[in-house]
Amino acid sequence: QSALTQPASVSGSPGQSITISCTGTSSDIGSYNLVSWYQQHPGKAPKLMIYEVNKRPSGVSNRFSGSKSGNTASLTISGLQAEDEADYYCCSHAGSNTWVFGGGTKVTVL
Amino acid sequence: QVQLQESGPGLVKPSETLSLTCAVSGYSISSGYYWVWIRQPPGKGLEWIGTIYHSGSTYYNPSLKSRVTISVDTSKNQFSLKLSSVTAADTAMYYCARLTVTVFDYWGQGTLVTVSS
Repeated sequence: QSALTQPASVSGSPGQSITISCTGTSSDIGSYNLVSWYQQHPGKAPKLMIYEVNKRPSGVSNRFSGSKSGNTASLTISGLQAEDEADYYCCSHAGSNTWVFGGGTKVTVL
Repeated sequence: QVQLQESGPGLVKPSETLSLTCAVSGYSISSGYYWVWIRQPPGKGLEWIGTIYHSGSTYYNPSLKSRVTISVDTSKNQFSLKLSSVTAADTAMYYCARLTVTVFDYWGQGTLVTVSS
């Protein structure tokens, strides 16, 4: 069970769109539509942003969207805002009731 | 509103057992869902440790399975983590969370555990 692969950092200017990729294998992302994304600000607990690949919990801005193709999932943040600067983690079910996270991506708003 | 609160020693000696408890309020563990422990070493990413169902069924990260025990006490509405034979590599922020079959929707604030003599 290896960690999912995310870019270490992604940056963008206010108002722009950015996309964070999350690459797994046919044993996790490729087999289940159980990919979720979490936002973590410094010193805070992670916050759920996207679940089941592309569903948004109540209260999460529609600027956040998710998708999946094959073994890779993606999180897109449109209309980037200063408050979006944070670490983002993807997570996938990996079979047999186990879960695997990505290494995290630091989003910087320029 | 569902709330989770971790508690336990912030300092554990190498080779000893780390013990943490997660108190749940606003939801009865006996009502269902799964309950998990997740950790985050300083400056690093998240790692799923294990899951327990209210019935007591458990599922562990294969890399930690030999050292981990998760238990539940429905009468106190809490669940616990024990990690044995700890080393400095186990120093991390430990989070408890609720798993609604598909997603970790509620998280505790986390508790930092340092392994040091």
